[in-house]
Amino acid sequence: DTEVTQTPKHLVMGMTNKKSLKCEQHMGHRAMYWYKQKAKKPPELMFVYSYEKLSINESVPSRFSPECPNSSLLNLHLHALQPEDSALYLCASSQYRWGGDNEQFFGPGTRLTVL
Amino acid sequence: QKEVEQNSGPLSVPEGAIASLNCTYSDRGSQSFFWYRQYSGKSPELIMSIYSNGDKEDGRFTAQLNKASQYVSLLIRDSQPSDSATYLCAANQAGTALIFGKGTTLSVSS
Repeated sequence: DTEVTQTPKHLVMGMTNKKSLKCEQHMGHRAMYWYKQKAKKPPELMFVYSYEKLSINESVPSRFSPECPNSSLLNLHLHALQPEDSALYLCASSQYRWGGDNEQFFGPGTRLTVL
Repeated sequence: QKEVEQNSGPLSVPEGAIASLNCTYSDRGSQSFFWYRQYSGKSPELIMSIYSNGDKEDGRFTAQLNKASQYVSLLIRDSQPSDSATYLCAANQAGTALIFGKGTTLSVSS
C-alpha cells in the first residue's frame, strides 16, 4: 500500500485563525516531509522529519509549526498566516536509506486559502 | 547550489508518438532520480525511479540515467492524451529532500 493520506482536502482560514494539517502513512517509512507548492511552480521543501526528529527546517517562518507525534503521523500547525501562504501543502514519506529505494510518495495535498 | 534543470516546454506531440523529456543535475553526490507526473490541481505521482546508469523500462515509460553527463531522461512511447501533464524531474541523496526541476509541460494531441 503506497498511500499517504492528508486531511483536510481544502481549508479556508482567516489571518487570526489557528488550524492544523494532518498527514498519515502506514508504509513503515521513517522519513516524512512537508512541501509547499504554488501554482505553476515545483514543490518547495519546508520540513523533514527522520525517525520522528526534525532534521531539516528550510528557514520556514514560525507561523508554521511541524509536529511528528509518531512514525506514522505528521502535523503542520498554522497560526497567523498571511494571504501569500495560500498554496497546496503536500506531505510525503519515504524510507531513509542510502543508495536506493528511497522513493518519496506524496499525499493528495491540502489546498489552503488564507483570507 | 544544487540544481535540477528541465526545459519548461510546452512539449507537444501527436497521439502515438514518442515523447522525450530531459533533465540535468548539478550535484554529483545525487544518488537517486525520479520522474513525477502532476495533473493540474493534483499532487505529484511517482512514475519512475532510477539509481544506476543505463535504462529502466516500465510499460510505456523508459528512464535513462547517465551519471558521467549528469543527465536523466524519460521516454514515453505511444503517447496518449491522458499523458498530458507536467512532468517533474527530481534528484536526491538518501534521507534528504527532493530537489525538483521546474517541470516540463507535455501536451499530447489526439
